Amino acid sequence: EAGVTQFPSHSVIEKGQTVTLRCDPISGHDNLYWYRRVMGKEIKFLLHFVKESKQDESGMPNNRFLAERTGGTYSTLKVQPAELEDSGVYFCASSPRPMDANYGYTFGSGTRLTVV
Amino acid sequence: LAKTTQPISMDSYEGQEVNITCSHNNIATNDYITWYQQFPSQGPRFIIQGYKTKVTNEVASLFIPADRKSSTLSLPRVSLSDTAVYYCLPDTGRRALTFGSGTRLQVQP
Repeated sequence: EAGVTQFPSHSVIEKGQTVTLRCDPISGHDNLYWYRRVMGKEIKFLLHFVKESKQDESGMPNNRFLAERTGGTYSTLKVQPAELEDSGVYFCASSPRPMDANYGYTFGSGTRLTVV
Repeated sequence: LAKTTQPISMDSYEGQEVNITCSHNNIATNDYITWYQQFPSQGPRFIIQGYKTKVTNEVASLFIPADRKSSTLSLPRVSLSDTAVYYCLPDTGRRALTFGSGTRLQVQP
């Protein structure tokens, strides 16, 4: 089966511009998570979707970040306007509901965002 | 949330067994212990999960004592390709994961 796919793999934008990251979870996985690693820091949780509903968005840093998951399939994370401190690697993960103890969460390879 | 403590780094040689221990003194009753592996430029990859005693799969073994205040990931006969960062994470399967700094394992020839 296909894994979690993230697009683009890399993005370089100027401060003030808008960027949209996309995540395609494994088909049938209701849970979808966004995480972020800022340079030199630990991987931090951003938000959690269950199907199309936001279950937990306590990790979203501010209102410049907007996540959607229309139809409960793929998800997008938009940063508008981007700031220098938004640079980092954005990971998406998915899991079935309830999670399969033998497989855990499946992560994508991430999108490396650089804001200059 | 349970706080975990792992060694920052470990070194090993090919063919050796590597044991990485994680402390989680205040782990919750409904938390499982999961371990993830991460290579550079990739997302974390699930290795193994357990609740108590010993769990083994084709990749690793996980030992969790009765008090569940620690766990040990055992990698048999490591190879160069096992060089990665390893994360110990409490998980209920119903909330997001909380990553720490992990253990950077360097396997040398």
